[in-house]
Amino acid sequence: RKEVEQDPGPFNVPEGATVAFNCTYSNSASQSFFWYRQDCRKEPKLLMSVYSSGNEDGRFTAQLNRASQYISLLIRDSKLSDSATYLCVVSRGSTLGRLYFGRGTQLTVWP
Amino acid sequence: ETGVTQTPRHLVMGMTNKKSLKCEQHLGHNAMYWYKQSAKKPLELMFVYSLEERVENNSVPSRFSPECPNSSHLFLHLHTLQPEDSALYLCASSQDSTGRRYFGAGTRLSVL
Repeated sequence: RKEVEQDPGPFNVPEGATVAFNCTYSNSASQSFFWYRQDCRKEPKLLMSVYSSGNEDGRFTAQLNRASQYISLLIRDSKLSDSATYLCVVSRGSTLGRLYFGRGTQLTVWP
Repeated sequence: ETGVTQTPRHLVMGMTNKKSLKCEQHLGHNAMYWYKQSAKKPLELMFVYSLEERVENNSVPSRFSPECPNSSHLFLHLHTLQPEDSALYLCASSQDSTGRRYFGAGTRLSVL
């Protein structure tokens, strides 16, 4: 079983739509959780960390359900510039280098 | 604008060539990484260096050879690669184990 599973999409939504991505992880010892964003032919960049109580950053809301080993990302009022691949990333803790990346979910926002 | 720079950005090589990828970080970080990103696959960790010491080698074939001469520079030496090694090779750095990786723009490698 893969460490991190994501629906690869693609998700195609109009501007202004709300879209949600889901991610599951297989190892219950996972401790830290992140969403990275990767634009086409560019490098991944940290979008936001995911905290147990859920957290929001502008139009982006991240949720974590440890019991179900499930992470979500909600984007409200989608913009054209949100078009990218969103990577779900999980870490087991302090060991350097041990981040597990999902394949990514591709989002296209159309005008 | 990025604190991690990689050269070259694109590389085409034959299976008998020897080439090197270079990475430099300007962020004062203590750890550097090589990742491989193939189409339709998750990022795969290849090597980790912490304070210039290799702390992880993730079962990478010996045709890939990393070198970390100091905390700011990281190289990936390539020789006798295979076509399936064609991918985007990403360098990253981090200050500590908090999880935030700062990636370079990558080297897109094609092996003919």
